[in-house]
Amino acid sequence: KAGVTQTPRYLIKTRGQQVTLSCSPISGHRSVSWYQQTPGQGLQFLFEYFSETQRNKGNFPGRFSGRQFSNSRSEMNVSTLELGDSALYLCASSWAGGNTEAFFGQGTRLTVV
Amino acid sequence: GENVEQHPSTLSVQEGDSAVIKCTYSDSASNYFPWYKQELGKRPQLIIDIRSNVGEKKDQRIAVTLNKTAKHFSLHITETQPEDSAVYFCAASGYALNFGKGTSLLVTP
Repeated sequence: KAGVTQTPRYLIKTRGQQVTLSCSPISGHRSVSWYQQTPGQGLQFLFEYFSETQRNKGNFPGRFSGRQFSNSRSEMNVSTLELGDSALYLCASSWAGGNTEAFFGQGTRLTVV
Repeated sequence: GENVEQHPSTLSVQEGDSAVIKCTYSDSASNYFPWYKQELGKRPQLIIDIRSNVGEKKDQRIAVTLNKTAKHFSLHITETQPEDSAVYFCAASGYALNFGKGTSLLVTP
């Protein structure tokens, strides 16, 4: 069974640009969550999608958005990039979200210059 | 929303000693408490989890305890080994997983 796959693995963008990250969950998983990981801040919750609907949202500005497709694949978009957006972005998939085991992808390392 | 506090932020122990990491949460509706281990350059991986109807769970050298009244839960690693060195994250979940900021554990031979 294939694990959670994130693409691309690395990205370098310039301030003001936008970026789209992709996450393919484990087959059969309908929930995809996104996290931002920075040194000292741990894993900060961005949002969670279940069956194409955003169910939960963290405390991030509206520049961060996402969507989920009918095959459960999810994309995350960040517009008007800022230097502080440089981070490792992780997605996690689970069967139903909430209190079911979540499996992480290897992450996308975003550097904003 | 849920707020998870994790302590300590760094922990250094001698091989063979025990390590304890503690977390508190704010939302009394949270009912699932997993622990993840993240080795350098790798993705977080679940090592143990506990649900609100259980007070303690053990898996070989790892155990987790939960006190719902006090809203805190702890990870206990016994007989630590150098390969236990990693960052450990606790999390609490009602509808979404919210993580603590992590504990960097170093086990020295």
